[in-house]
Amino acid sequence: QVLLQESGPGLVRPSETLSLTCSVSGGSISNYYWTWIRQPAGKGLEWIGRVSASGNFNYNPSLESRLTMSVDTSKNQFSLKLTSVTAADTAVYYCGRGGIYFSHWGPGALVTVSS
Amino acid sequence: EIVLTQSPGTLSLSPGERATLSCRASQSVSSYLAWYQQRAGQAPRLLMYGASTRATGIPDRFSGSGSGTDFTLTISRLEPEDFAVYYCQHYGGSPEWTFGQGTKVEIK
Repeated sequence: QVLLQESGPGLVRPSETLSLTCSVSGGSISNYYWTWIRQPAGKGLEWIGRVSASGNFNYNPSLESRLTMSVDTSKNQFSLKLTSVTAADTAVYYCGRGGIYFSHWGPGALVTVSS
Repeated sequence: EIVLTQSPGTLSLSPGERATLSCRASQSVSSYLAWYQQRAGQAPRLLMYGASTRATGIPDRFSGSGSGTDFTLTISRLEPEDFAVYYCQHYGGSPEWTFGQGTKVEIK
């Protein structure tokens, strides 16, 4: 059974960089695309971007200038970095398996942007 | 960007009743549409992909239909665990996937 788990700071200061890691267990990170999605409190879902095990990526155009995704196959992990954050980036961040639709999800990590 | 519009915003029904949820795309996405269920405090769960193919472990009271711009998710008989928020998501065209705003199915 494939399990995903997000980890990272729950509080980030405005203008700083949000960093999250998703650890994958129960299966290899190879041969799949891996995705980040976020959800502000009480609101809908926003696709952030995807990265393949070989390092190919696609980002949401609205976030692209601030976004970097990467994969560490040796650790079976993938990561998200979002720079210059503002309060609008406060959300629950989910990692997921799949590049087009998402069959497995982590439980989510709440990230609050506040001073 | 393809915009997905879900209706109604809220559906108030009783257990055992039939639920019909709609998702309309601003341009054709062929059959590249998925549905998710999100229970309170949980991550979304994939229900359907390819507009009408149930994901692994999804009971057959869930069915999906449609293609092009108009899609429907039907729950034939609502069980207590089906009261949740449902989202559609397209994956047609270039990778700039979007979700609908959600339909909440609540107990009447």
